[in-house]
Amino acid sequence: DAKTTQPPSMDCAEGRAANLPCNHSTISGNEYVYWYRQIHSQGPQYIIHGLKNNETNEMASLIITEDRKSSTLILPHATLRDTAVYYCIVLNSGGSNYKLTFGKGTLLTVNP
Amino acid sequence: KAGVTQTPRYLIKTRGQQVTLSCSPISGHRSVSWYQQTPGQGLQFLFEYFSETQRNKENFPGRFSGRQFSNSRSEMNVSTLELGDSALYLCASRLSSTGGSFSYGYTFGSGTRLTVV
Repeated sequence: DAKTTQPPSMDCAEGRAANLPCNHSTISGNEYVYWYRQIHSQGPQYIIHGLKNNETNEMASLIITEDRKSSTLILPHATLRDTAVYYCIVLNSGGSNYKLTFGKGTLLTVNP
Repeated sequence: KAGVTQTPRYLIKTRGQQVTLSCSPISGHRSVSWYQQTPGQGLQFLFEYFSETQRNKENFPGRFSGRQFSNSRSEMNVSTLELGDSALYLCASRLSSTGGSFSYGYTFGSGTRLTVV
């Protein structure tokens, strides 16, 4: 699976959009981009995933660049409860290797 | 719809003992994975079970083992506990196909926090 690079930390004001970048320059054609987050001492929570098209759900939007080498997770109106570590993961959809390889992620702190 | 249930939530064991952790996946999910989270190593994959068969395993000591039952519930066992085994152990389930693309994310439980003293 391709490696990902994320900034170690980011701050965001409550009510504003949080834009979390992820670099995955070695991504291959059949690899998906997944985003999870982990609130302190809880299990990771699935947010969204995509292959090449932009995706949106009730939690967030995922913007993937045309060359697929980077992506941005957007939380449109961040709240204090969105403070968490956000993980960007690249996962091969085929074969038998279904493990998630977590990096260090980005600690997003939403400030009042 | 009930989530992934892990028991117990907290556990304190002494060195040399063994421990069994339990995970009940979401109803209908057939794939169960186990992860270890420590401050030093972060979140690391341990192994995955699908239809009672271990399908994927990371390079952890043989003291770490697991199994999956016909109802998809899974257990993880750690024998001869060491201080370094203190961690948050997370279980994740997924509605798995046997291959090809999938569109469902993993759902994690809240974890079992194991402290070895």
